[in-house]
Amino acid sequence: GAVVSQHPSWVICKSGTSVKIECRSLDFQATTMFWYRQFPKQSLMLMATSNEGSKATYEQGVEKDKFLINHASLTLSTLTVTSAHPEDSSFYICSARDGVRVEAFFGQGTRLTVV
Amino acid sequence: TQLLEQSPQFLSIQEGENLTVYCNSSSVFSSLQWYRQEPGEGPVLLVTVVTGGEVKKLKRLTFQFGDARKDSSLHITAAQPGDTGLYLCAESMAQKLTFGTGTRLTIIP
Repeated sequence: GAVVSQHPSWVICKSGTSVKIECRSLDFQATTMFWYRQFPKQSLMLMATSNEGSKATYEQGVEKDKFLINHASLTLSTLTVTSAHPEDSSFYICSARDGVRVEAFFGQGTRLTVV
Repeated sequence: TQLLEQSPQFLSIQEGENLTVYCNSSSVFSSLQWYRQEPGEGPVLLVTVVTGGEVKKLKRLTFQFGDARKDSSLHITAAQPGDTGLYLCAESMAQKLTFGTGTRLTIIP
């Protein structure tokens, strides 16, 4: 199996606050985790790639101080959106790979709404 | 940076019809995955193709990888409403999984 669980599935927060999203691989060890952002009716845009125990590699244009990624264990990565603004509202999705298979497996996504 | 262009961007057809969607790259794929995503959910892996010219079937879905490994197609036979969704191709390179632009498919009952 290859199950990835993402939590929460949706969250509403006030502008200026921080929100943490968790991504867990339930039945395999995720050596690499990816975080994506998806706008309505669009494809997934890669935000960053993280390897367990290392700093995340951010894509061009993604603010690493705003989107804090931690991958402290082989089964958990977190994305913290700091000082959230309404324009950060989006669907955030994580995925994980085990370093053996080429495929990545996805969480259910988190709908973030900043008001 | 490899660009993955999918076409068409949108497709709406009647139940029972056949369709093909395409994924094209500016360079050679090392391997290619196809995913389907339903609204409010994460993408679900359908298939991985690795070898040029490879054809894989998943019930009514047929996936083909181009001989030169720069393009791929997904053909659906006798489409059903349950096939509705966003179809995404994705390529793994240098540890990254990069997605195509997507094809949003709607099957009309």
